[in-house]
Amino acid sequence: GAVVSQHPSRVICKSGTSVKIECRSLDFQATTMFWYRQFPKQSLMLMATSNEGSKATYEQGVEKDKFLINHASLTLSTLTVTSAHPEDSSFYICSAMGVYNEQFFGPGTRLTVL
Amino acid sequence: QKEVEQDPGPLSVPEGAIVSLNCTYSNSAFQYFMWYRQYSRKGPELLMYTYSSGNKEDGRFTAQVDKSSKYISLFIRDSQPSDSATYLCAMRSSSNTGKLIFGQGTTLQVKP
Repeated sequence: GAVVSQHPSRVICKSGTSVKIECRSLDFQATTMFWYRQFPKQSLMLMATSNEGSKATYEQGVEKDKFLINHASLTLSTLTVTSAHPEDSSFYICSAMGVYNEQFFGPGTRLTVL
Repeated sequence: QKEVEQDPGPLSVPEGAIVSLNCTYSNSAFQYFMWYRQYSRKGPELLMYTYSSGNKEDGRFTAQVDKSSKYISLFIRDSQPSDSATYLCAMRSSSNTGKLIFGQGTTLQVKP
């Protein structure tokens, strides 16, 4: 099956710093990728849709200036959490859309903001 | 009312049992239906992907879609302790956005 990687898998940072998370489709090209956030024992919450070569589409309530998304190539999308605060601590997961519009998920990145 | 309803469980079964997981939905525009398995602290893994109504089988897994009842199911035969995970149903319409609507997820525990 299609493989999606995320880096880093875990990050701990101080409040006020920025953190970049990378999402890569390893064996296929993805014009569309998605970024989700997941709290403990809850389902996935879609944050934004990332399209290669264009601006991301953010879901209602998600601050675009805080969660910067760049989809620079057909295999790479990045999420930057700017000026992170403890409330931004969460599990961030990306997915990449395959040729049949199915979504393949990365392993997730656990962000802890101290 | 949520667009997709899924009983969060937990569901506990003995090893070897047949497991039935279900979701109901309200949006008749949904055409594509998926089941994902998610282990703790990992990303979801795509198990089954079906279009419209009908059945699909893959090994010990069978997915069923009944669009007339707006009801989908995932059956796991000969369940194993390694099947213990959270199972998420997801669905979307035929629009080009590809956005998925997820159920809450059902936590399954298969006891040896």
